[in-house]
Amino acid sequence: GESVGLHLPTLSVQEGDNSIINCAYSNSASDYFIWYKQESGKGPQFIIDIRSNMDKRQGQRVTVLLNKTVKHLSLQIAATQPGDSAVYFCAEIHGSGNTGKLIFGQGTTLQVKP
Amino acid sequence: EAGVAQSPRYKIIEKRQSVAFWCNPISGHATLYWYQQILGQGPKLLIQFQNNGVVDDSQLPKDRFSAERLKGVDSTLKIQPAKLEDSAVYLCASSADRPQPQHFGDGTRLSIL
Repeated sequence: GESVGLHLPTLSVQEGDNSIINCAYSNSASDYFIWYKQESGKGPQFIIDIRSNMDKRQGQRVTVLLNKTVKHLSLQIAATQPGDSAVYFCAEIHGSGNTGKLIFGQGTTLQVKP
Repeated sequence: EAGVAQSPRYKIIEKRQSVAFWCNPISGHATLYWYQQILGQGPKLLIQFQNNGVVDDSQLPKDRFSAERLKGVDSTLKIQPAKLEDSAVYLCASSADRPQPQHFGDGTRLSIL
């Protein structure tokens, strides 16, 4: 069935290191992908998005890579900080137009060790 | 700009009781969504509104859940009667248009006793 999944439920990194969070998706027709960060007790917070006509997009300290051949998405966080500790979700849009449905994966918990 | 506002933040009720949640989206956002997030999982879409019309309610348990968005702005989500498995965080989100990213409120944490 259609799903968005993350490879690891938990990722532990040292402060200052780079983090890479991976995501596999199954619907090759999806054309829009979003990474969200969710801190405890808060709603998901938009980090970065990418459309299917792109392979890479950079933001502040974050980079999203999209490999449509293997249906893989990754989020790279440079110089990880304690404030980056949270659950990270990848999400994809299924469908077209304004009826497109956002499908979330299970989430990866990022733990940053001081 | 002000974010998506939700209330209450927490609610505890007994099973078979009813409960309602309120959402005020970001000003000017035509599309409003309600999600259910069970502990340890990603949010799952319950219903999507475009202005005051329903676009997608395929995953809304209509025997007990209802939602409305009067005047195309605020929205309420109601559960009646509640079941134990409804314990979750109910998130509201809004977006200006698709495929713009959705912006989420901090949710209502519902506990059913």
